[in-house]
Amino acid sequence: SAVISQKPSRDICQRGTSLTIQCQVDSQVTMMFWYRQQPGQSLTLIATANQGSEATYESGFVIDKFPISRPNLTFSTLTVSNMSPEDSSIYLCSVATGTGETQYFGPGTRLLVL
Amino acid sequence: GENVEQHPSTLSVQEGDSAVIKCTYSDSASNYFPWYKQELGKRPQLIIDIRSNVGEKKDQRIAVTLNKTAKHFSLHITETQPEDSAVYFCAASRQAGANNLFFGTGTRLTVIP
Repeated sequence: SAVISQKPSRDICQRGTSLTIQCQVDSQVTMMFWYRQQPGQSLTLIATANQGSEATYESGFVIDKFPISRPNLTFSTLTVSNMSPEDSSIYLCSVATGTGETQYFGPGTRLLVL
Repeated sequence: GENVEQHPSTLSVQEGDSAVIKCTYSDSASNYFPWYKQELGKRPQLIIDIRSNVGEKKDQRIAVTLNKTAKHFSLHITETQPEDSAVYFCAASRQAGANNLFFGTGTRLTVIP
């Protein structure tokens, strides 16, 4: 399976600032997704990152708050904008390879907003 | 949209016993059902998956069963070991990998040595 890395692995940020999280895959993938996992909770899909076009957002998530880029088939970024303590979560990217049979997750970015 | 319910939320078993985790889904169009294991501080890892054209799938000590009529699927772990201790998530999707994965709320499994 593809090797997925995320940067940063963790960060502590002040409210009102923004953080950009990077997701890099070592091979071209069909699909890339961004999830949020709040402390002790399940995973919630934020959006599907579309290569060369605007991301597809799930209900409750908007582009102004979570702008996403996917310039090519191996890289995507998620920005958490104008952060508040409620944004403290683990943010995970996932990828679907080849025929899109399964999703594999990156190691996650642990974000704490003070 | 899809709604996936998962039970129990916590499960403790003695080493060597079996563990069963159950999920139900609401969308009859869902046709792909993966299970992920997440150890503390680590990423979710796919352990087994099943498609709607199959009723059961096994991989060593792990098996998954699917009842399409009742819209529920279950994870079975036999001969549990302490390293099986983790949070397990079920999920459902309309199309493998190319569409949204809707996750259950998770089951924290503890295997007592």
